[in-house]
Amino acid sequence: EAEVAQSPRYKITEKSQAVAFWCDPISGHATLYWYRQILGQGPELLVQFQDESVVDDSQLPKDRFSAERLKGVDSTLKIQPAELGDSAMYLCASSRGLAENTGELFFGEGSRLTVL
Amino acid sequence: AQRVTQPEKLLSVFKGAPVELKCNYSYSGSPELFWYVQYSRQRLQLLLRHISRESIKGFTADLNKGETSFHLKKPFAQEEDSAMYYCALIKSGTYKYIFGTGTRLKVLA
Repeated sequence: EAEVAQSPRYKITEKSQAVAFWCDPISGHATLYWYRQILGQGPELLVQFQDESVVDDSQLPKDRFSAERLKGVDSTLKIQPAELGDSAMYLCASSRGLAENTGELFFGEGSRLTVL
Repeated sequence: AQRVTQPEKLLSVFKGAPVELKCNYSYSGSPELFWYVQYSRQRLQLLLRHISRESIKGFTADLNKGETSFHLKKPFAQEEDSAMYYCALIKSGTYKYIFGTGTRLKVLA
């Protein structure tokens, strides 16, 4: 069964360092999402891609966060420099294209970031 | 502003008892609503969506536009229902999901 792959599963870094997360969506899924989930809260959208284009990055802190999906397949989320408040679970999800979307998101296992 | 509210962080019920996880939303248009579930050591996954009007694992949820609610119900809770449950809303036309803060359901033996 196809699943969304994410790496690394865990990342510990010191503040001011750079960190990167990778996501490989389910094959054929045109829409890719990066969510941040702080402990005790629900997932919050950081960025949404449709193929290689950004559909929504209104909640992405662009001074330190960047995301790309160059070939419209896998994606990278980068934080530079990391701050203590960035400690969270970073979830990647994918779904079928907007035209045929049933509304179902398929999530990866997440990347847990701890900033010291 | 669009918002999804789950008022209970934790809900504990005994096995065989009815369970209702509350979800209220604020949205100016016609929402599409979902329940997602995360079992221990598993990834977040779709449980059910309101447009399907389906029952999954004995759970049902009815959209009440008058009360702006989408509560999740099950008549007889099972221990395997213990999990984290998230209510979510889609902003129509964008497929931008807004999630609630989640309710942890514990079903006691």
